[in-house]
Amino acid sequence: EVQLLESGGGLVQPGGSLRLSCAASGFTLGNYAMTWVRQAPGKGLEWVSDISESGGSTYYADSVKGRFIISRDNSKNTLDLQMNSLRAEDTAVYYCAKSLGGGIYKYYFDYWGQGTLVTVSS
Amino acid sequence: QSALTQPPSVSGSPGQSVTISCTGTSSDVGSYNRVSWYQQPPGTTPKLMIYEVSNRPSGVPDRFSGSKSGNTASLTISGLQAEDEADYYCSSYTRSSTYVLFGGGTKLTVL
Repeated sequence: EVQLLESGGGLVQPGGSLRLSCAASGFTLGNYAMTWVRQAPGKGLEWVSDISESGGSTYYADSVKGRFIISRDNSKNTLDLQMNSLRAEDTAVYYCAKSLGGGIYKYYFDYWGQGTLVTVSS
Repeated sequence: QSALTQPPSVSGSPGQSVTISCTGTSSDVGSYNRVSWYQQPPGTTPKLMIYEVSNRPSGVPDRFSGSKSGNTASLTISGLQAEDEADYYCSSYTRSSTYVLFGGGTKLTVL
């Protein structure tokens, strides 16, 4: 059974940093692109970042570019999101999600974690 | 880049059909078939319902169907059931720097 378990969320002051992790099980992580999607309280989904199967290619939303860094360790079955220079508008539940497959299927997310809440406030 | 445009809410009675629209631009929906739809009931995580405009993952009922015309994609749910009540989000690849866009979400109410 595919499982994704996020951790690392919490309360942080504006300008601070936080590192989220996603532990993957039930599938071979290295065979799939992975994604972070966030959802502000009471709001819609926002794509945040994507990383290719090997980790060699990364993509970021304009709103987080230069502040967030996505990475993965396929040997440890983990996906990370380092978040720096955090702002109030980064407050959200952060989900890690598995892509449906490779090629054109990397744009679709078939399994999602339960999410971890990040609150940026003084 | 702005999110894809969806109506804030739609409603229908059990057994009826409803259609949710998702309007983008020639940089995303209009030029690529990389459109998907997600269902998110209250308090739960999103579930992939449609990918590549009209394909259903295994386990998704055939009451759910997708289509596209020009810059607008659509999700149609036929034979509405109470369990279909949820927020629905469209998504598309975009050739802009954003890479993937989501719509603002549509709340489906089953009357």
